[in-house]
Amino acid sequence: EDQVTQSPEALRLQEGESSSLNCSYTVSGLRGLFWYRQDPGKGPEFLFTLYSAGEEKEKERLKATLTKKESFLHITAPKPEDSATYLCAVQEGDTGRRALTFGSGTRLQVQP
Amino acid sequence: GAVVSQHPSWVICKSGTSVKIECRSLDFQATTMFWYRQFPKQSLMLMATSNEGSKATYEQGVEKDKFLINHASLTLSTLTVTSAHPEDSSFYICSARRTNSPLHFGNGTRLTVT
Repeated sequence: EDQVTQSPEALRLQEGESSSLNCSYTVSGLRGLFWYRQDPGKGPEFLFTLYSAGEEKEKERLKATLTKKESFLHITAPKPEDSATYLCAVQEGDTGRRALTFGSGTRLQVQP
Repeated sequence: GAVVSQHPSWVICKSGTSVKIECRSLDFQATTMFWYRQFPKQSLMLMATSNEGSKATYEQGVEKDKFLINHASLTLSTLTVTSAHPEDSSFYICSARRTNSPLHFGNGTRLTVT
């Protein structure tokens, strides 16, 4: 059974204070690892897809990396508008299952 | 712009009544859509996979007679919560994938059963 564990559960940063969020996963043949941002009362918004170990993706202040066991979402010099819940999800490849399995998320709060 | 549209964004209903939630793919056809449920401060849990023209596939523990899914066209899937009870109060989110694109989500429906 696919498992996704995110840490920390919650993170409070000062504006400009860089940090990293962790996503550990267990999956039968990783087809893709996904990062989403979710604002309160909204659906998840797609950020990145990573397919293989060593891959990195960047978007503004965010950078996602992937190893065979975990992924990191690095946030450089965050701003208050980066405050949100960040969700990690995996899609397995062995069974052809197309749905994503999500972690419980990291609630990020960036204070000015 | 939005890729997946969900309606309504919130609904309040009385215990014992039924509620229908619509999920539409915008500007693309989706043979498969996914319905998730999210309780406060928890992650998204897959409820069922909606397949156009055939029966939905439900996850273990999800009552198919309570959560009716209809995927009658390539752009519309509906989730009907039948005989709703307060414990069904949750945030319901649908999703669909455009070809060669990641999964996109609607903005969710907040259901409150009184």
